[in-house]
Amino acid sequence: DAKTTQPPSMDCAEGRAANLPCNHSTISGNEYVYWYRQIHSQGPQYIIHGLKNNETNEMASLIITEDRKSSTLILPHATLRDTAVYYCIVKAAGNKLTFGGGTRVLVKP
Amino acid sequence: KAGVTQTPRYLIKTRGQQVTLSCSPISGHRSVSWYQQTPGQGLQFLFEYFSETQRNKGNFPGRFSGRQFSNSRSEMNVSTLELGDSALYLCASRPSSGTGYVTFGSGTRLTVV
Repeated sequence: DAKTTQPPSMDCAEGRAANLPCNHSTISGNEYVYWYRQIHSQGPQYIIHGLKNNETNEMASLIITEDRKSSTLILPHATLRDTAVYYCIVKAAGNKLTFGGGTRVLVKP
Repeated sequence: KAGVTQTPRYLIKTRGQQVTLSCSPISGHRSVSWYQQTPGQGLQFLFEYFSETQRNKGNFPGRFSGRQFSNSRSEMNVSTLELGDSALYLCASRPSSGTGYVTFGSGTRLTVV
């Protein structure tokens, strides 16, 4: 599975959009981009995933560049409950998840 | 529908003992995987089971083992516990086919004293 690079931490103001970048320059054609988040001491929570098209669900939007070498997770209106570690994972369908260090997001009032 | 259920939620064991953790996947999910999370090593894959067969294994010693039953429920066992085995153990399940995503349980917090 391709390696991903994320900033270790970022702050976001409550009510504002949070844009979380992820680089995955070695991504293969059959690999998907998955985003999970983990709130302290809980199991990781699935957010969204995509292959090459932009995706949106009730939690977030996923923007994947045309060359698929990077992506951005957008939380449209961050709340205090969005404070968590966010993981960007690239993998082929069915493969195990390989977690990196993630981005620690702190939403501030 | 019910999520991934792990029992027990918390566990304290003594060095040298063995422990068994249980996981019930989402109904209809036949693939179950296990992960270990520690502050030092982060989230690491232990193994995956599908239809009672281990399909993938992470880089852990043989003290860590697992199994899956015909109803897809899974157990993992750690023998001869060491202090370093203290961790959050997470179980996850996913649909058998397609690009369905993995859903995690809340985990079992194991403390070895």
